[in-house]
Amino acid sequence: GAGVSQSPSNKVTEKGKDVELRCDPISGHTALYWYRQSLGQGLEFLIYFQGNSAPDKSGLPSDRFSAERTGGSVSTLTIQRTQQEDSAVYLCASSPRTSGRSGELFFGEGSRLTVL
Amino acid sequence: AQTVTQSQPEMSVQEAETVTLSCTYDTSENNYYLFWYKQPPSRQMILVIRQEAYKQQNATENRFSVNFQKAAKSFSLKISDSQLGDTAMYFCAFMIGNYGGSQGNLIFGKGTKLSVKP
Repeated sequence: GAGVSQSPSNKVTEKGKDVELRCDPISGHTALYWYRQSLGQGLEFLIYFQGNSAPDKSGLPSDRFSAERTGGSVSTLTIQRTQQEDSAVYLCASSPRTSGRSGELFFGEGSRLTVL
Repeated sequence: AQTVTQSQPEMSVQEAETVTLSCTYDTSENNYYLFWYKQPPSRQMILVIRQEAYKQQNATENRFSVNFQKAAKSFSLKISDSQLGDTAMYFCAFMIGNYGGSQGNLIFGKGTKLSVKP
């Protein structure tokens, strides 16, 4: 499809397990973002990739969280040793690098993570 | 640090009427962008409207318009002729501008849940 694709759409895991969430951005978009949305809350910034630049990891809540982006396209968010407070919807967004459209993010439908 | 505040957790409006959602922000930057995003129950966020801080003219997109008060750091969204499909969470967001064309983090408020009633 032409939009941002995220998988899985839903993931239930046990406390202590590792999970991987995948994001396929729109082709040609150089910027990729991960956000976390807890129930009834706004969006919490996690990490931002822009082209070949070093990612902005300032939003990652702990060293259990990491993300990579391979070949400037697909990104994987990994959460190690999951905790119940990690339960949330994880949203991925991509954006073209054209200043005339700065800030226009295209979001996926998110991956809902439930940690039991 | 930049912050975005939405003081109305929930609002409701009758179909065909007008509603205004409030947003204030705090920054020491002079070059930035402001946005309103919509998140319907399907969960997918959609950009509603965008405003460059250097522009004095308020942005409009069909039934959606903003009231941008830079000195007051206020950025409200007005929805005219509300429709049932406008029912959604609305998020105000802020991004620091960059003359080099790259962009940084988009900072969101906590959102306002809008219900349009028939």
